[in-house]
Amino acid sequence: QKEVEQNSGPLSVPEGAIASLNCTYSDRGSQSFFWYRQYSGKSPELIMFIYSNGDKEDGRFTAQLNKASQYVSLLIRDSQPSDSATYLCAVNRYNQGGKLIFGQGTELSVKP
Amino acid sequence: ETGVTQSPTHLIKTRGQQVTLRCSSQSGHNTVSWYQQALGQGPQFIFQYYREEENGRGNFPPRFSGLQFPNYSSELNVNALELDDSALYLCASSSASTGVSGELFFGEGSRLTVL
Repeated sequence: QKEVEQNSGPLSVPEGAIASLNCTYSDRGSQSFFWYRQYSGKSPELIMFIYSNGDKEDGRFTAQLNKASQYVSLLIRDSQPSDSATYLCAVNRYNQGGKLIFGQGTELSVKP
Repeated sequence: ETGVTQSPTHLIKTRGQQVTLRCSSQSGHNTVSWYQQALGQGPQFIFQYYREEENGRGNFPPRFSGLQFPNYSSELNVNALELDDSALYLCASSSASTGVSGELFFGEGSRLTVL
């Protein structure tokens, strides 16, 4: 079992719709959770992080964390073609600085 | 765009050769992490350097080694290259003082092809 699992996609949504990206993790010692976006041929960039159970909103993005179910998700409201990218879920165990464990990423395609 | 710069951007090597990749961290960041990203996969943690010392290592063999210099720049060295070493190598800088553990600033990467 991989430590961090994501559906590889591609996930295709129409412009203006809500995109829902999911991630599960296996280590209950995981402390913090991150969503990175990676455009094709580019490096990952941080979108959001979440530490506590519940929802965290930032503009069109909402991260949701359920530690009991070992599940973290990212919702993108009013999806735009510019949101088309690979979204990487990452987990930091025991708050070990820059030592993140990444999932394989979910490719999102937003169709105009 | 982050202030993390990597060189070279692309390189081709043959099996058995050695390679050195370089990274200049973002101003004010004292921690550098290296990741390997194979095609279609997420980045995998190789190791991290903090104040010129290795501060954690992922599941990579000893032929992957690194250095961090007093100015916080860093090198990744890979000896005895294998075909499976073909990947994008990402350097990420961070600062213990940011308060956001895990917020990494990635460079654009060095794409290594091993033939």
